[in-house]
Amino acid sequence: DQQVKQNSPSLRVQEGRISILNCDYTNSMFDYFLWYKKYPAEGPTFLISISSIKDKNEDGRFTVFLNKSAKHLSLHIVPSQPGDSAVYFCAASEYNTDKLIFGTGTRLQVFP
Amino acid sequence: DAGVIQSPRHEVTEMGQEVTLRCKPISGHNSLFWYRQTMMRGLELLIYFNNNVPIDDSGMPEDRFSAKMPNASFSTLKIQPSEPRDSAVYFCASSLGGASSGDEQFFGPGTRLTVL
Repeated sequence: DQQVKQNSPSLRVQEGRISILNCDYTNSMFDYFLWYKKYPAEGPTFLISISSIKDKNEDGRFTVFLNKSAKHLSLHIVPSQPGDSAVYFCAASEYNTDKLIFGTGTRLQVFP
Repeated sequence: DAGVIQSPRHEVTEMGQEVTLRCKPISGHNSLFWYRQTMMRGLELLIYFNNNVPIDDSGMPEDRFSAKMPNASFSTLKIQPSEPRDSAVYFCASSLGGASSGDEQFFGPGTRLTVL
């Protein structure tokens, strides 16, 4: 049973346009959410996070939105660049635990 | 700092053989995590340590898997005997604290394991 779900295995976006990656979760005890980015043959690297007390967090071209009632979060990348082509993992943790539960990832391809 | 170091980067072995994966966390980090990545299940947490003590091993698939952290700078993940379904990329990650502290996890490059 996947507690964190990324239902779109892949996404293709034209350079300059907005990329929207989606993530759903089932565990209402999750209170901290993260996005990691992974290039081939490398380990994932942290991108951006959001606490459940917020509904939006922005860092440059990256914005994460959290909808607690829908148990849904999304990552917006504007404008998308070819260097953003990677696999994006959504992750979540429960209050006062160190465990991260990851989704299956979405492969983003940004084409010229 | 060199980041999280994992060895080997690639391992090909035959079914039934013992496999040992190694990890050196970032110096000063107190938490260490072992993950397995597969297409079907994404990144799964296998086990994590805090101050060298195993805290949660509920993700370890079965008794064939074991992990140790004898000191703050070294950890191993052992599979004995290995099976073809163990083929995956295994990542080690470390963090200053844990997710409860809001601390970022830093991942190593991974070990790609193929069991024939």
